[in-house]
Amino acid sequence: AQSVAQPEDQVNVAEGNPLTVKCTYSVSGNPYLFWYVQYPNRGLQFLLKYITGDNLVKGSYGFEAEFNKSQTSFHLKKPSALVSDSALYFCAVRAATTSGTYKYIFGTGTRLKVLA
Amino acid sequence: KAGVTQTPRYLIKTRGQQVTLSCSPISGHRSVSWYQQTPGQGLQFLFEYFSETQRNKGNFPGRFSGRQFSNSRSEMNVSTLELGDSALYLCASSLSDPGASGNTIYFGEGSWLTVV
Repeated sequence: AQSVAQPEDQVNVAEGNPLTVKCTYSVSGNPYLFWYVQYPNRGLQFLLKYITGDNLVKGSYGFEAEFNKSQTSFHLKKPSALVSDSALYFCAVRAATTSGTYKYIFGTGTRLKVLA
Repeated sequence: KAGVTQTPRYLIKTRGQQVTLSCSPISGHRSVSWYQQTPGQGLQFLFEYFSETQRNKGNFPGRFSGRQFSNSRSEMNVSTLELGDSALYLCASSLSDPGASGNTIYFGEGSWLTVV
């Protein structure tokens, strides 16, 4: 079955330290991968995506993600965390449907808490 | 460019009633998807519309329905509301097929539904 996993419910990091939010996936075919962020009482905001090309993808707010095909992972990273980065982060993968179209499958989300 | 607009933002309904939620996609976007977000279940895909046709449907009972109009605006309806329908309902839009060519889906702020 096609799926995406975010193994950590919560990640705590000190302000100024590097952060990593993990995501692994299982899909047939070439993966299209996405990261979104959700602040309290808001919708999801698009951060970045990997379609093809360079394995290191740069996105909004200083975030980047590294695609690793052999490990089927797409971890979100930031060199120096800010308190304002505290939010809920979702990884998503494009999955083919039986009708020949596509849909997004989202992970369960990882709550990032950056401590001052 | 205006983002995805959802109305109403907050609403309270009584068990057994029905509700209609509205979504206006980003200008030029022809695909609209709906998701239900709850603390316990995360983001669950409801359905996706493209050019007034439902192309994909998630695993929700028939009480959940939707439609898309010729101007790409979409509505979703939930009939005979149950307490468990209390959730944040998110609408997302994309240019065309959400998965084709890695089209990104962009979310609205959501409609908070509370069923009492």
